[in-house]
Amino acid sequence: EAQVTQNPRYLITVTGKKLTVTCSQNMNHEYMSWYRQDPGLGLRQIYYSMNVEVTDKGDVPEGYKVSRKEKRNFPLILESPSPNQTSLYFCASSLFWGVGSGANVLTFGAGSRLTVL
Amino acid sequence: DQQVKQNSPSLSVQEGRISILNCDYTNSMFDYFLWYKKYPAEGPTFLISISSIKDKNEDGRFTVFLNKSAKHLSLHIVPSQPGDSAVYFCAASVRLGGSNYKLTFGKGTLLTVNP
Repeated sequence: EAQVTQNPRYLITVTGKKLTVTCSQNMNHEYMSWYRQDPGLGLRQIYYSMNVEVTDKGDVPEGYKVSRKEKRNFPLILESPSPNQTSLYFCASSLFWGVGSGANVLTFGAGSRLTVL
Repeated sequence: DQQVKQNSPSLSVQEGRISILNCDYTNSMFDYFLWYKKYPAEGPTFLISISSIKDKNEDGRFTVFLNKSAKHLSLHIVPSQPGDSAVYFCAASVRLGGSNYKLTFGKGTLLTVNP
């Protein structure tokens, strides 16, 4: 089944304890991205990657790191989590990004709910 | 600066009637628009899209209309079904340069379809 898999789905942690949220897709998609969803703010992009070894900041990158060493994986790293990073996180991927039929159609993971105490 | 606006946080309609979800945008460089649907405890799923060179795209019960002069798009669901109850996100894409594009989401509208 074509899908984007995120882990963990739920996590409660404490301020300052490094954590990684993994994301893997099995569709050979070039484009991957991380979003956070907060009440009243919708989906905001954290980081994205156009291809392997190519990453760039989204709208809210502060406090996060990413890497794209291989096509299928795009982990989100919180080096020193803080309570304002408590949120629902979504990883997404797309076959390609640009103009044309099927362009920019993101497939999302099921989400990872993170609570930082 | 919120470039994609969904001004109605929620909408309630009766089963069988039409649901109209609205979205306004400010960036005239957006060239592709998409609607996503999200159920609780799930990730958003793609619903329908439209290129800026078109003014209408239809897929079954779902139709998206684009009015470029007004910088407005809308999603029509006819007839509405209880299973359509979800949060709907409007999104718009713009080319930043080269092969670099950016997708911006609205805040979402919660649609409730009452039986």
